Amino acid sequence: SQKIEQNSEALNIQEGKTATLTCNYTNYSPAYLQWYRQDPGRGPVFLLLIRENEKEKRKERLKVTFDTTLKQSLFHITASQPADSATYLCVQPYNTDKLIFGTGTRLQVFP
Amino acid sequence: GAGVSQSPSNKVTEKGKDVELRCDPISGHTALYWYRQSLGQGLEFLIYFQGNSAPDKSGLPSDRFSAERTGGSVSTLTIQRTQQEDSAVYLCASSLVGQVSDFGQPQHFGDGTRLSIL
Repeated sequence: SQKIEQNSEALNIQEGKTATLTCNYTNYSPAYLQWYRQDPGRGPVFLLLIRENEKEKRKERLKVTFDTTLKQSLFHITASQPADSATYLCVQPYNTDKLIFGTGTRLQVFP
Repeated sequence: GAGVSQSPSNKVTEKGKDVELRCDPISGHTALYWYRQSLGQGLEFLIYFQGNSAPDKSGLPSDRFSAERTGGSVSTLTIQRTQQEDSAVYLCASSLVGQVSDFGQPQHFGDGTRLSIL
């Protein structure tokens, strides 16, 4: 069955550095990938979508790449800030009306 | 408010009791989703509504779980004869359209109902 794998280990980085989170998927390549942010006690919030024919997508300090050969998406936050600390979820569609969520990677940005 | 609203935010109940969780989606959103998130786990898909009908109920864990949606708006998730393994955060999301494989519409989530079964 289709799976999404994200690094379950927390990522700790210093403020100002670039955070890079990895999302690997198995089997077929999805038509797109989405990235969400989830803060403790809150629901996920949509950040970015990248389609399979796009290599890269940017939004302010965020950048997402999609490599269908490696079956991988990378999520970058440049000039990271403590306010960026959260769990980031990689999501892909499955069948016509389901989404598969990864377990997320917790990012901690310290001053 | 303009976002997805869920109630109650917290629910503690005894094993064997029935519980009803409510979701008010964003106005105009035709698609509505229920998920379950257990501690340290990813979101587990439960059920999807397009309008008032549920094309996919395959994620419901057992026949103790049911959901309905009325008027293309409010949805309730009911768990009968609750068990301790039902303890989790139940999240609701809505989007403008369903058929996520084609459209990639973002889902807008509520903050969930934290359910604790004693």
